[in-house]
Amino acid sequence: DVKVTQSSRYLVKRTGEKVFLECVQDMDHENMFWYRQDPGLGLRLIYFSYDVKMKEKGDIPEGYSVSREKKERFSLILESTSTNQTSMYLCASSLGGIGNEKLFFGSGTQLSVL
Amino acid sequence: DQQVKQNSPSLSVQEGRISILNCDYTNSMFDYFLWYKKYPAEGPTFLISISSIKDKNEDGRFTVFLNKSAKHLSLHIVPSQPGDSAVYFCAASETGANNLFFGTGTRLTVIP
Repeated sequence: DVKVTQSSRYLVKRTGEKVFLECVQDMDHENMFWYRQDPGLGLRLIYFSYDVKMKEKGDIPEGYSVSREKKERFSLILESTSTNQTSMYLCASSLGGIGNEKLFFGSGTQLSVL
Repeated sequence: DQQVKQNSPSLSVQEGRISILNCDYTNSMFDYFLWYKKYPAEGPTFLISISSIKDKNEDGRFTVFLNKSAKHLSLHIVPSQPGDSAVYFCAASETGANNLFFGTGTRLTVIP
C-alpha cells in the first residue's frame, strides 16, 4: 500500500510565524500535491509537482511556496502565517501518466493560526 | 469557478436504505471521475472511479453512474451502514492531466 506521511497532525502558530509542512511518500510516485480543505469549499489545490525541483501553481498559491528537492519529499512553506491560513492541509501523491490519476492522501495537518 | 459541484452539503439516510450522492461538472474534457471518502481528522481515501467510456461501475455496495450528456455522476451505496457516515468528495480529471478537480463534498450520515 502507498503510504503518504505528513510530519505533523496538529500545529498551532502565531500570526507572522514561518511554517514548514513536510510530506513523504514511499511509492516512488512522480506527482505530489498540496491541498487545503475548508468547510463548504472542499479541497483546493495550492501547488503540485510532477518532478524533482519542478512545481506548478494550483488554484490558491498566494501566501505559500513549495520545495521538492527529492522525489519522495514535498514541503509546503508558509513564510508568514495569517489567520486565514487556518485550515486542514492535505498532501497527496500519484504515480503519474495516463490512467494513473488516482491520488493517495496523507492524514492531514490541522493548522491553527492565532 | 468551480468545475465540479456537489450541491447537497449533507444527506441523512436510515441504515439499510440506499444513499445517493450527486455530482455535476462543467468541463466537457473531463473523462475520468473518482469518489473519495473522508473521515474527520483523516485524509481522503479512494472509493471508486469510472472512465467516460463507461456509464456504470460497481464495487460491492458502491456503484457509480455517469451521464455524460448531462455532465452528471452519482454514487449509490446499498445498503447504507453507519460506518459509511463520512464526507464524500467527487473528483474529475482529464486524461494526461496531473491534477484532480474536487467538489465541495457531501456529508453523509447513516442513522442506525
